Amino acid sequence: AQSVSQHNHHVILSEAASLELGCNYSYGGTVNLFWYVQYPGQHLQLLLKYFSGDPLVKGIKGFEAEFIKSKFSFNLRKPSVQWSDTAEYFCAVNAATDSWGKLQFGAGTQVVVTP
Amino acid sequence: DTEVTQTPKHLVMGMTNKKSLKCEQHMGHRAMYWYKQKAKKPPELMFVYSYEKLSINESVPSRFSPECPNSSLLNLHLHALQPEDSALYLCASSPTTGTGVGTDTQYFGPGTRLTVL
Repeated sequence: AQSVSQHNHHVILSEAASLELGCNYSYGGTVNLFWYVQYPGQHLQLLLKYFSGDPLVKGIKGFEAEFIKSKFSFNLRKPSVQWSDTAEYFCAVNAATDSWGKLQFGAGTQVVVTP
Repeated sequence: DTEVTQTPKHLVMGMTNKKSLKCEQHMGHRAMYWYKQKAKKPPELMFVYSYEKLSINESVPSRFSPECPNSSLLNLHLHALQPEDSALYLCASSPTTGTGVGTDTQYFGPGTRLTVL
């Protein structure tokens, strides 16, 4: 069975600081990788996804993530955060061979950006 | 339009009540999902419907009963719930490809905040 671990549960940083959130997964086969964001009081939104191809993917709102297959990692980055990036961030994985799209989420990282 | 809608937004029910949660999407997606999310926790998969047929039931208690009346609608019928069932219930949908739903992105609705007294 696959599992997903996110290294930090809480991150506090100032506006304009750089953000990097770690995500590692455990699965021996081909995976699809996602980062979702949940702003306070809002629903889960897709930030970016990786299915195949260029391991550096760009998403919405200036976020990007890099898939490193050898490290089973899919870390999320943003060079300069804004107060509006305060949210819960979830890494998620499903097996590319899974016919039913079962999505396994990490525990989430609460990011607080201070003005 | 990548919108999944859910009603109601909030629901308070007693342990003897029967209620239903509704989910709707008009994106032509043929896979729909129910997740349960407790506070400060990630979503946990409950059910998957693919082409209106139940494909996955993640050992969910029978007091939760899903229904997929057509390709756009997904219901979750609730009966005799417990206080520990209080949570945010999320619906999601994804398109299907010839290789199955596993490669598709899931789009989430805003959820129904359920409180069981």
